[in-house]
Amino acid sequence: GAGVSQSPSNKVTEKGKDVELRCDPISGHTALYWYRQSLGQGLEFLIYFQGNSAPDKSGLPSDRFSAERTGGSVSTLTIQRTQQEDSAVYLCASGEGGTIYFGEGSWLTVV
Amino acid sequence: GQNIDQPTEMTATEGAIVQINCTYQTSGFNGLFWYQQHAGEAPTFLSYNVLDGLEEKGRFSSFLSRSKGYSYLLLKELQMKDSASYLCAVDRDSNYQLIWGAGTKLIIKP
Repeated sequence: GAGVSQSPSNKVTEKGKDVELRCDPISGHTALYWYRQSLGQGLEFLIYFQGNSAPDKSGLPSDRFSAERTGGSVSTLTIQRTQQEDSAVYLCASGEGGTIYFGEGSWLTVV
Repeated sequence: GQNIDQPTEMTATEGAIVQINCTYQTSGFNGLFWYQQHAGEAPTFLSYNVLDGLEEKGRFSSFLSRSKGYSYLLLKELQMKDSASYLCAVDRDSNYQLIWGAGTKLIIKP
């Protein structure tokens, strides 16, 4: 596609429910990143994919968070048993050749 | 440890020039990015510096000194739409595993 596409753009979920966030990177980009950003805060790195493998998962805040990438393309970030502190915008980015491009983000609210 | 420092907030006047500084201490350096982020939106790419010196792109310029661990973003002829946060990020290796600064909120006044 022309840009990084994320879905859903907005999600309100009840505490304790699981959520899945999807990222469709720019075609041909081998690097894919997930970041989290709380209101007024900086970017918090979650996980990085090179192709289908994740050489750096160091940013995942707890074992409730997991991510996968299939076919070197689409990635899914899953948050299990959501908590209120998970409320944030989850940004996906893909990169190749010196620049990374961000999607519009998935705004998650846990109530 | 990994550390990137930027001022938290800056204020400038429409039509003026502003310089946003970024200092970094990282294990490895492959390049430095500047991104612009308007409130409620995703960051958008501004510049990427690999070598020392100044790179100019229209009203925006970015400077890098690797020996000093220092970069700045220079914005000229400021417009109200330049009000945003400006994020500095260091690429530690060629796999683009970025370390992000907290961002500088730039407020433009008429």
